Amino acid sequence: DTEVTQTPKHLVMGMTNKKSLKCEQHMGHRAMYWYKQKAKKPPELMFVYSYEKLSINESVPSRFSPECPNSSLLNLHLHALQPEDSALYLCASSQPGQGRKNIQYFGAGTRLSVL
Amino acid sequence: AQKVTQAQTEISVVEKEDVTLDCVYETRDTTYYLFWYKQPPSGELVFLIRRNSFDEQNEISGRYSWNFQKSTSSFNFTITASQVVDSAVYFCALVNTGGFKTIFGAGTRLFVKA
Repeated sequence: DTEVTQTPKHLVMGMTNKKSLKCEQHMGHRAMYWYKQKAKKPPELMFVYSYEKLSINESVPSRFSPECPNSSLLNLHLHALQPEDSALYLCASSQPGQGRKNIQYFGAGTRLSVL
Repeated sequence: AQKVTQAQTEISVVEKEDVTLDCVYETRDTTYYLFWYKQPPSGELVFLIRRNSFDEQNEISGRYSWNFQKSTSSFNFTITASQVVDSAVYFCALVNTGGFKTIFGAGTRLFVKA
């Protein structure tokens, strides 16, 4: 069983809706990630938080807004999405740094459909 | 530039066959990490193995084995006596020395038929 929990598992939203994706981990990891994965494609990195600070933003449109309220939680706030934003959104966590620490552990993802 | 190439898009085998998934990578870093992840239909990426650039030892874990060769920039993955439960998409990945940005290959979809 994954130790990274994502909710909801499925989400359908209209283009004018505001929704949030949630991710939680209790492994004591201090780096957390959001990835977007389209069908039959590899995951694409969106954001990285390290020690609750935004470390990487891969030029993601502002309609995606990440938030890291504490070391265990990561949110992704969604607003005014487009149908092409429909995808599987994966959360991951790791310990920052070298060695075994940089293994990323993934959640099961949220399947998002934008109508 | 960093790049991971998985030339095999889809592989189909019959149960109990051995299958090798190829991975070739490019990086200018002298220190880096290579990974294999499995993604079953449920969606979660499952960590399988990590290798650092200084460790060229091959590894065997049950039915899984990995062959890392720096000379050819390859990190291939073999499943021995495949099972239906091995059906999934397998991703090879490269992580830079900072440890945050993961470069994924395109993935190889493995179908194991009973």
